[in-house]
Formats: sequence, C-alpha cells, structure tokens
Amino acid sequence: GAGVSQSPSNKVTEKGKDVELRCDPISGHTALYWYRQSLGQGLEFLIYFQGNSAPDKSGLPSDRFSAERTGGSVSTLTIQRTQQEDSAVYLCASSPRPLLAGEETQYFGPGTRLLVL
Amino acid sequence: AQTVTQSQPEMSVQEAETVTLSCTYDTSESDYYLFWYKQPPSRQMILVIRQEAYKQQNATENRFSVNFQKAAKSFSLKISDSQLGDAAMYFCAFRIQGAQKLVFGQGTRLTINP
Repeated sequence: GAGVSQSPSNKVTEKGKDVELRCDPISGHTALYWYRQSLGQGLEFLIYFQGNSAPDKSGLPSDRFSAERTGGSVSTLTIQRTQQEDSAVYLCASSPRPLLAGEETQYFGPGTRLLVL
Repeated sequence: AQTVTQSQPEMSVQEAETVTLSCTYDTSESDYYLFWYKQPPSRQMILVIRQEAYKQQNATENRFSVNFQKAAKSFSLKISDSQLGDAAMYFCAFRIQGAQKLVFGQGTRLTINP
C-alpha cells in the first residue's frame, strides 16, 4: 500500500455502544500515532506506539479510550460506552522511526469520522 | 504547556494573489520544530513546510514560505500566486525536540476565489 489507511471511513453509532477504529500504517514504519480532531478544532494527540515499547498514552482523554498495536503493524483504537462528545475525526499517522530531527515526518491517513447519536 | 494559536478562522484570497496565514505559539523550550499542514476535504493531512527553531533563515518550498520570528514566537505562512488547489484547512503545528507528539492550532480555512 502506498500510504496509511484507516477503516471505516465513516462510523455512526449510538450513545453507549463500543466502537473500534482501525489503522494500517505504511509498511516498515515503526512509529504510529493517533490523533483526534473535533469539529472546528485542531488535532489533539491521543497515543503513540514505537516498536515493542510501552505506548505513550498520555493523550487519552478517559479510561473509555484504549488502543493496541498487534505485531508492530496494525493498530486498533477502541472507544467504550461512546458519548456524544466523542464525535470527531480520528486520524492515524505513522513514521519510519521515532521523530528525532525536524526532517522526519509523520504520514497521515484519511481518518475515520465518528458520529455518536 | 505548549500551545499554538491561529487567530484567523477563515481567510480568502483571489486566485494568483498572495495570502498570509498567522500562527503564534507558546513554549519555554528552546529546541523545537514548526510545521504547516494542509488538510483538503479528503481529510488527509499534508505537510506543506517545516522550520527548525535553530535556523534563522526562513524556510521556502516553491510558492510557500514562512516568516519565523523566534523572539515573538510567530510563524506565519505566505502563499504566493494562489491556486484553486490551495483551498483547504491549514494547520500550524509545533513539536519540541525529543517529543513525539505534534501540538496543533485550531486551523484556518482558506478559500481561493477564481
């Protein structure tokens, strides 16, 4: 695949349901990031994975949010007991290695638009 | 805490004209990187230009250039010879040296009038 892919593209769910959002990073990229973009806002960092290291979960807004990355590749972001304020676009990004110098770039996917009714 | 502020929610410009998008940031760190990203309706974030804080020379990428004022903590984006394809949301972002996460501003919606 040429770039980062995310599925589904759009998701509508009812308040209280659980949802899973998937991210397929660029092949060979060891670093993976999740961001949330609420309506009219910039991106808000959620979580960062690097290889087999423990993830940086410092941006997760509540314990209803969790993420995992299996085999160092695909990642799933899970939101339990969704609330209306969870409605947003969830963007995934990957990079070949951890960002050290400014030359290194995060490559973003097209995002999943989540609407909680 | 690091913050990024974009004070212009919307901007418009005539095709072929020049437009400048504003961005200010706040940090106590001295080593960091600044970025401008473009987000078209497809939602995919595209890196437009980047600037290392230790470099005094302003970055330039074809029609895109920045005015980096470190003392004022200002990082504006100038788009010359605007084209219809430049229409998008533009986000200013910031990353401190050693950190993995990007901190984004709220975005500026740029409209190009033919």
